[in-house]
Amino acid sequence: DGGITQSPKYLFRKEGQNVTLSCEQNLNHDAMYWYRQDPGQGLRLIYYSQIVNDFQKGDIAEGYSVSREKKESFPLTVTSAQKNPTAFYLCASSIPTFTGGSSYGYTFGSGTRLTVV
Amino acid sequence: AQKVTQAQTEISVVEKEDVTLDCVYETRDTTYYLFWYKQPPSGELVFLIRRNSFDEQNEISGRYSWNFQKSTSSFNFTITASQVVDSAVYFCALMDSSYKLIFGSGTRLLVRP
Repeated sequence: DGGITQSPKYLFRKEGQNVTLSCEQNLNHDAMYWYRQDPGQGLRLIYYSQIVNDFQKGDIAEGYSVSREKKESFPLTVTSAQKNPTAFYLCASSIPTFTGGSSYGYTFGSGTRLTVV
Repeated sequence: AQKVTQAQTEISVVEKEDVTLDCVYETRDTTYYLFWYKQPPSGELVFLIRRNSFDEQNEISGRYSWNFQKSTSSFNFTITASQVVDSAVYFCALMDSSYKLIFGSGTRLLVRP
């Protein structure tokens, strides 16, 4: 079955450390996205990528970095510059916008819960 | 600017009651898409419905129904005869010409037996 795999499900990080969240999809989608969810809040866009080797900042990109070297993979690094990284992180993918396919919405992974200890 | 407002933070009902989740959106675009997603305790978002701005027909899917009214910029979601399995956080989202999904803050629904 096609889908999006996020790993690990739970992640603990010490203050001052960088940590990388994995996101892999086998849906053959070109576009991928990272969202952050805080308790009682909606999802906020961190970064997105419409095509391999290209990505754009979302609304809250500070303290995060991404890479898109392969179509299937869009890892997110939470750097030490992110002041409040404890949150639930969701990865999503979609058919690329230039085909209009994104209007059909996104497919989401099951998320990674990051806690700073 | 694009914005989605879900004013109801949390709703609690007893099983078999009907419940309506409100969603109000803002966009300057004439072409846009509206979505509802369900987030069960497991965390992943489950797609429920997509609506484009040119289709104001109400939609019914089993116990779920959606009321889209452009005049009031609302896209409300009703669950008829609620069940305990309906307990989740529900998100309304907007996609306009930017093709980015913009989410509301979500409504937590608790259905008590």
